[in-house]
Amino acid sequence: AQKVTQAQTEISVVEKEDVTLDCVYETRDTTYYLFWYKQPPSGELVFLIRRNSFDEQNEISGRYSWNFQKSTSSFNFTITASQVVDSAVYFCALSERAGNNRKLIWGLGTSLAVNP
Amino acid sequence: DTEVTQTPKHLVMGMTNKKSLKCEQHMGHRAMYWYKQKAKKPPELMFVYSYEKLSINESVPSRFSPECPNSSLLNLHLHALQPEDSALYLCASSQDRGVDTEAFFGQGTRLTVV
Repeated sequence: AQKVTQAQTEISVVEKEDVTLDCVYETRDTTYYLFWYKQPPSGELVFLIRRNSFDEQNEISGRYSWNFQKSTSSFNFTITASQVVDSAVYFCALSERAGNNRKLIWGLGTSLAVNP
Repeated sequence: DTEVTQTPKHLVMGMTNKKSLKCEQHMGHRAMYWYKQKAKKPPELMFVYSYEKLSINESVPSRFSPECPNSSLLNLHLHALQPEDSALYLCASSQDRGVDTEAFFGQGTRLTVV
């Protein structure tokens, strides 16, 4: 069963629109971490945010904001006033225990196209 | 400096060739990773090194051979690859292997096996 679900495969918006990327996760761990990464066409995965399971405070960083809700197992990402440079694939990931290690479980990604 | 540098950026190799991918970080991170990413898919973990020792091998075929010469360098030696091994190979590093801290990724090597 998929543990990180990004239901939106592709989203297309016009510049300056707000857009929300959804992420729903499933885990039995009581301590876990959630991440968002951005992958522009250049290929590099760019870290955006880490959130631990005990911190449900929402976060805002410039035009980016994140809404973490444990009750619904969701960690959604909103871009306000989108720009063409926001065009990329965005991955949500869950860090959970795997034996003595921890592993990142990735969602399938949401491809965002911001058109001028 | 939060850079992870990978070389080469592009590589085309034949199925009988031997080549190596290189990765370097100077952030003092003690965990380094190799991921493979096919088009329109998320990254797949291949190997994890922690304090220069291999700690995770995700059942990767032996034609891929990782090496960690020191805490800043990570290599991936390639030999007798198949066309289906063509992909983007990403290196990453983090403070430790717990993945509780964020991983920083390089730009990747786009590998084509012909």
